[in-house]
Amino acid sequence: AQTVTQSQPEMSVQEAETVTLSCTYDTSENNYYLFWYKQPPSRQMILVIRQEAYKQQNATENRFSVNFQKAAKSFSLKISDSQLGDTAMYFCALANFGNEKLTFGTGTRLTIIP
Amino acid sequence: DTGVSQNPRHKITKRGQNVTFRCDPISEHNRLYWYRQTLGQGPEFLTYFQNEAQLEKSRLLSDRFSAERPKGSFSTLEIQRTEQGDSAMYLCASSHVSVGSYEQYFGPGTRLTVT
Repeated sequence: AQTVTQSQPEMSVQEAETVTLSCTYDTSENNYYLFWYKQPPSRQMILVIRQEAYKQQNATENRFSVNFQKAAKSFSLKISDSQLGDTAMYFCALANFGNEKLTFGTGTRLTIIP
Repeated sequence: DTGVSQNPRHKITKRGQNVTFRCDPISEHNRLYWYRQTLGQGPEFLTYFQNEAQLEKSRLLSDRFSAERPKGSFSTLEIQRTEQGDSAMYLCASSHVSVGSYEQYFGPGTRLTVT
C-alpha cells in the first residue's frame, strides 16, 4: 500500500515571503505521479503542480516549484512571493502509473499574513 | 465547460436514513472518482468509473454504499442506513484518460451530517 505523509499541520508566512511545504511518500512502484493540490476555504480543490517520477527535472508553475528527490521519496512545494490568495489547505498526493486513484496526505494549512 | 458540480452541497440526515448524492462531471471526461474527506484528513479514495463501468472499489466502501454511473455521464452515490461515522465531505472528481494526463478536476463536495 502506498502512503503520503505531510508532517507540517499548519504553517504561516508573511506576504511576499517564500515558504516550503514538505511531503514524503512511499510506494513500491517505479512509475508514478506526484501532485500538490490546493483547497481554499470553502472552495473546491484545484491542482497546483504535477511531477512525473520518470522526469528528473523539477516541475515549475509560475511562483510554484517542487523539489523532487526520488531516492529519498521526498516531494516538497516551494511558493515564492506568497500572496494572500495562497491561503489554503495544501495536499500532497500520489498516483501510480496506470491507476489514477489518488492517495493524499493529511494536508498543511497555510496562512499568508498581510 | 462549467466544471464538476455536486448536489446537494449540504445534507443533514438522521441516523438510519438513506441519502443519495449526485455528481455531474466535466462533459468530455470519461473517468469519475468518489472520495471521502473527514475533518483534518486528506481525501480518501472510495471508487471510480470509466464510462459506465465501475472499475475499483475501496475497502472503505461498505455494503451500505453503492455508486452508479448510468450511461457514463452523471454519477450517484447512495448511502443506506446512515451512521454517525458517515459524516464527512464527499468529493467527486473527473478526468479524461489520455497519455500523460493524470489531472483530476474536483467538485465542491457534498457535506453530510448524520445526527
